[in-house]
Amino acid sequence: DTGVSQDPRHKITKRGQNVTFRCDPISEHNRLYWYRQTLGQGPEFLTYFQNEAQLEKSRLLSDRFSAERPKGSFSTLEIQRTEQGDSAMYLCASSLGVAGGSTDTQYFGPGTRLTVL
Amino acid sequence: AQSVTQLDSHVSVSEGTPVLLRCNYSSSYSPSLFWYVQHPNKGLQLLLKYTSAATLVKGINGFEAEFKKSETSFHLTKPSAHMSDAAEYFCVVTPFRGGKLIFGQGTELSVKP
Repeated sequence: DTGVSQDPRHKITKRGQNVTFRCDPISEHNRLYWYRQTLGQGPEFLTYFQNEAQLEKSRLLSDRFSAERPKGSFSTLEIQRTEQGDSAMYLCASSLGVAGGSTDTQYFGPGTRLTVL
Repeated sequence: AQSVTQLDSHVSVSEGTPVLLRCNYSSSYSPSLFWYVQHPNKGLQLLLKYTSAATLVKGINGFEAEFKKSETSFHLTKPSAHMSDAAEYFCVVTPFRGGKLIFGQGTELSVKP
């Protein structure tokens, strides 16, 4: 049973550079979520896909952030022109959502830790 | 708006004694509530979830939580702490059946030998 995987696990970049993270959900899961967690805080929601459709974006997701899930499988999160305030753990989660069903459970990956120098 | 408040940022117990981690929620809807645990350098793991069925929810590793609507609380308990329980615990609410999770600030649990 393979869980949610994320790549890379760690990324160090210089301010102003672009970075891209990848998330591979559990294979049959149709929903995929991105969260950001800063030190000492709980994760904060960024965006959410159902299959390939991006259904919700947080106000935290500025114009420098973009997420895609082109074929309804893996997803990428890109940050352009990184700033020091972008330093955080970026978490991906997936779930199997059934219309009219009970609340689905989100399974989290290990995260990508971004450090912007 | 939906939110959760974890009333303690840090809880310290001795091994073998009971654990109580407190959480209050605010929701305009009938919420679903969760507790997740995060061990150092490991991903978030679901402990248990409440989805409007039984108000007393049993989870993994001996944890349980009780949904009390009148008190808007969802406290996490365990009768006897183990050293391996030391971790960060998050109370989480979602107002809809599928959608974003709203996390509390977290409670760090320390377990002394």
